[in-house]
Amino acid sequence: GAVVSQHPSRVICKSGTSVKIECRSLDFQATTMFWYRQFPKKSLMLMATSNEGSKATYEQGVEKDKFLINHASLTLSTLTVTSAHPEDSSFYICSARADRASSYNSPLHFGNGTRLTVT
Amino acid sequence: AQTVTQSQPEMSVQEAETVTLSCTYDTSESDYYLFWYKQPPSRQMILVIRQEAYKQQNATENRFSVNFQKAAKSFSLKISDSQLGDAAMYFCAYRSEEVGRDDKIIFGKGTRLHILP
Repeated sequence: GAVVSQHPSRVICKSGTSVKIECRSLDFQATTMFWYRQFPKKSLMLMATSNEGSKATYEQGVEKDKFLINHASLTLSTLTVTSAHPEDSSFYICSARADRASSYNSPLHFGNGTRLTVT
Repeated sequence: AQTVTQSQPEMSVQEAETVTLSCTYDTSESDYYLFWYKQPPSRQMILVIRQEAYKQQNATENRFSVNFQKAAKSFSLKISDSQLGDAAMYFCAYRSEEVGRDDKIIFGKGTRLHILP
């Protein structure tokens, strides 16, 4: 089945630094990738929708200058948390879907998530 | 806007018994998918089952089945013969299939399922 690889799985960084998280679709081309944030014991909150070759669409309340998303190829999207603060500590999950037109029945495939801790 | 509601934050079931997790949703669309995802302690999101809105027949996947009531906008998950490995957080989710609409997934708040040995 389709696999989405997310890296790193855990990262600890100091306040004020930036952290990049990668999301790769390993055996399919993902025209659309989604980035979610999950607080402890809470649901997944969609942060942004990333389409290959275009600007990401951010959900209301998500700072696009803080959470930079780049989707430069059909297999890679990155989320960069800029000038991280302790309140950015969370679990971040990416997901990917193949081309909508060619995969009518395509579900969403999730990465394993990244636990970010900002000290 | 579409919403997904899971009214049971936590549930427990005895091993080998059957349990039903509730989910309701609100939408004005007619073309959409519904999903149940499982998130075990590893936090990997695992697709359990999915249902196309245009299909009247309820989806089944081995021990997992759904009761899809489109008019009532209800989409419950039944787990038969519960096993210890079923213990996880379960999320009900909605995705539009309307032409021109975002295909982002909207998740409910989740139900934590405990399996009692």
